Amino acid sequence: KAGVTQTPRYLIKTRGQQVTLSCSPISGHRSVSWYQQTPGQGLQFLFEYFSETQRNKGNFPGRFSGRQFSNSRSEMNVSTLELGDSALYLCASSESGQGKAGELFFGEGSRLTVL
Amino acid sequence: AQKVTQAQTEISVVEKEDVTLDCVYETRDTTYYLFWYKQPPSGELVFLIRRNSFDEQNEISGRYSWNFQKSTSSFNFTITASQVVDSAVYFCALSDPGGATNKLIFGTGTLLAVQP
Repeated sequence: KAGVTQTPRYLIKTRGQQVTLSCSPISGHRSVSWYQQTPGQGLQFLFEYFSETQRNKGNFPGRFSGRQFSNSRSEMNVSTLELGDSALYLCASSESGQGKAGELFFGEGSRLTVL
Repeated sequence: AQKVTQAQTEISVVEKEDVTLDCVYETRDTTYYLFWYKQPPSGELVFLIRRNSFDEQNEISGRYSWNFQKSTSSFNFTITASQVVDSAVYFCALSDPGGATNKLIFGTGTLLAVQP
C-alpha cells in the first residue's frame, strides 16, 4: 500500500506570496490532518478534513486554509506568506472510526522556506 | 489546558544500553488518549502506540515498553537494548478534549542518539 504522498517536497517563496501544498492519503483513508513543524513551536495542528468537510481546526490565522476533494486528496494554502511561515508542513491520513483516532500516518512533509 | 512536557531534550546512549524517555501530561479530561511517535532523520513521523486513559496496563512490544501512570500523569517509554536504528526524535502526544480526534497536542520531543 502506498504511503502518504506530499508535493512539493521543497519550495522557496518570498514574503507576500501564496503557496499551495498537496497531500494524497493512503488509499481508503478518509481523514487528512495537517501539522506545522518548526524548531520554535514544535508540532502544531492546523486542521483536519473528513469527507470533504473540515472537522477540526487549530489556532492559526485565516491565511491558512485547506480543502479536501472527493477522492480524499487534500490541499492546504497559505496566503500572504510571512517569514514565520517557514516550516515543515506535514500531512497525515488515518482510518475513520473512533478506534483509530490519533493513529496517524504521516507523509515526509513539504519544507517551505519564506525569504 | 492541555499540555505535554518532555523534559529531556537530548539523550545519548551507547548501543545495548536501556533508555527511558519521559513524558508528563496535563489535562482536565477524564477520557483521553496518549501517543508516542518516532521521527527518524528522514522526517516522516511514525506512530508507535496509542493508550486510552482507562487502560493503565503497561505494554511491551519487542524492545519497546510503555509505562502509563495516571497518578503521576506520566506515560514513559523505555527502549531495551538500544540500537543505532533507534536514533530519532521521539514525541509524546495527547488527544484534544473529547478523545476521538486526530487533533493531537505534541510535546517538544526528545532526540535520542544511540552511539555504536
